[in-house]
Amino acid sequence: NAGVTQTPKFRILKIGQSMTLQCTQDMNHNYMYWYRQDPGMGLKLIYYSVGAGITDKGEVPNGYNVSRSTTEDFPLRLELAAPSQTSVYFCASISGQGTYEQYFGPGTRLTVT
Amino acid sequence: AQRVTQPEKLLSVFKGAPVELKCNYSYSGSPELFWYVQYSRQRLQLLLRHISRESIKGFTADLNKGETSFHLKKPFAQEEDSAMYYCALMEGSWGKLQFGAGTQVVVTP
Repeated sequence: NAGVTQTPKFRILKIGQSMTLQCTQDMNHNYMYWYRQDPGMGLKLIYYSVGAGITDKGEVPNGYNVSRSTTEDFPLRLELAAPSQTSVYFCASISGQGTYEQYFGPGTRLTVT
Repeated sequence: AQRVTQPEKLLSVFKGAPVELKCNYSYSGSPELFWYVQYSRQRLQLLLRHISRESIKGFTADLNKGETSFHLKKPFAQEEDSAMYYCALMEGSWGKLQFGAGTQVVVTP
C-alpha cells in the first residue's frame, strides 16, 4: 500500500491564481482530512470528509473548497490564492472503524507570491 | 473551545538524559489525546494514544485529568529521538484533531 499520497510536493503560485492539491489514499479509509501547518502554529484543520459525498468545514476553511466523489480521493481547491495561504498542506485519513490513528501524507509546500 | 498548549517550542537535551515534553489541554468532555511525531524528512506519524497505555520507543504519557495534562516522557533520550512532537486532542466523533504548536526536540551526544 502506498498509504496517503499528495501531489504536488511543491508549488509556487501568483496571487489570484487557482490550483488543486491532490490527495489519494489506498487504504479504503472513510474519513479524510486537510490540515495546514504554519510555522510555530501546529496543524489546523481546513476541511474533512466522513465518506464519499460528505464534507464539512474545519477550523480554517475560508479560501478553500473540497469535494469527495470517491472514497480514495479528497482534493483541496484554492480558487483565488492569497499570500496568507502560503503554508504546508497535509492530507490525512483514518478508517473510522474504531481506530482513530491518522495516517498522513508527505505534505505539499505552497508559496503564494 | 478546545485547546492544546505545548509551552516549549524547543527542547535541547543530552543523550542519556531524561526528557519531558509538556502538553496541557482544555476540553469540556472526556478527552482523547495523542502524541504525533515528525522525524526529519518523514511524514507525521502516531507515537502514542492515551487510551492504549502503551510505551512506544521508550516514551510514555499519562493523562492527568486534574491538571488537564498529557506530558510525554522518556527516561533516557537517544539521538534518534530528535524530531518535532505534537500533542493532539480529538474533538467530536469524526476523528478531527486539534494540534498543539509542537515542540522541537534536539538530542545532542
